Amino acid sequence: DVKVTQSSRYLVKRTGEKVFLECVQDMDHENMFWYRQDPGLGLRLIYFSYDVKMKEKGDIPEGYSVSREKKERFSLILESASTNQTSMYLCASSQQGFFGYTFGSGTRLTVV
Amino acid sequence: AQSVTQLDSHVSVSEGTPVLLRCNYSSSYSPSLFWYVQHPNKGLQLLLKYTSAATLVKGINGFEAEFKKSETSFHLTKPSAHMSDAAEYFCVVTEREKLTFGTGTRLTIIP
Repeated sequence: DVKVTQSSRYLVKRTGEKVFLECVQDMDHENMFWYRQDPGLGLRLIYFSYDVKMKEKGDIPEGYSVSREKKERFSLILESASTNQTSMYLCASSQQGFFGYTFGSGTRLTVV
Repeated sequence: AQSVTQLDSHVSVSEGTPVLLRCNYSSSYSPSLFWYVQHPNKGLQLLLKYTSAATLVKGINGFEAEFKKSETSFHLTKPSAHMSDAAEYFCVVTEREKLTFGTGTRLTIIP
């Protein structure tokens, strides 16, 4: 069964901490995405990557960065966590040219 | 730029009655459109997708959607609601393989 795995289901961090959210896919997909989900706002794209070492800003990149050193792993980094980054974070992957997206189960991050 | 508008944030229907969840889109290109469902505390599941083939698309669990270019709509329907359909539904449009989500419609089923 194909999978997108997010390393933590729940995470609590303090304001100002540097936070890493990890995502790993085992499908050899080229594309990977990070979204955040907030009530009433749906899912909003933070960053995405079409290939190793490539990244592009999504709709709400401020306060975030990403890293993709290997094809299967896409990390989201909160440089200095703030309370307004409390949210559900979802990772997804897809094969280039094929409209089949697989989502991870999400990481619920609380910043206190 | 692409965008999606889900016209209702909350829809309530009685069990056994039809379901209609409305979605309008905007896209510079010929769009691909999706409906995803998210049950409470569960991940996102693909219901159906339109990728420029037949305009009436059938999905899982008895759902279907019709792509209407003239109306820029992609409404989701089901003839008879079931209690297990209670969930949040997202209409999604793609551009350059990047998904843009609507704000979601929460579907409540009344016994």
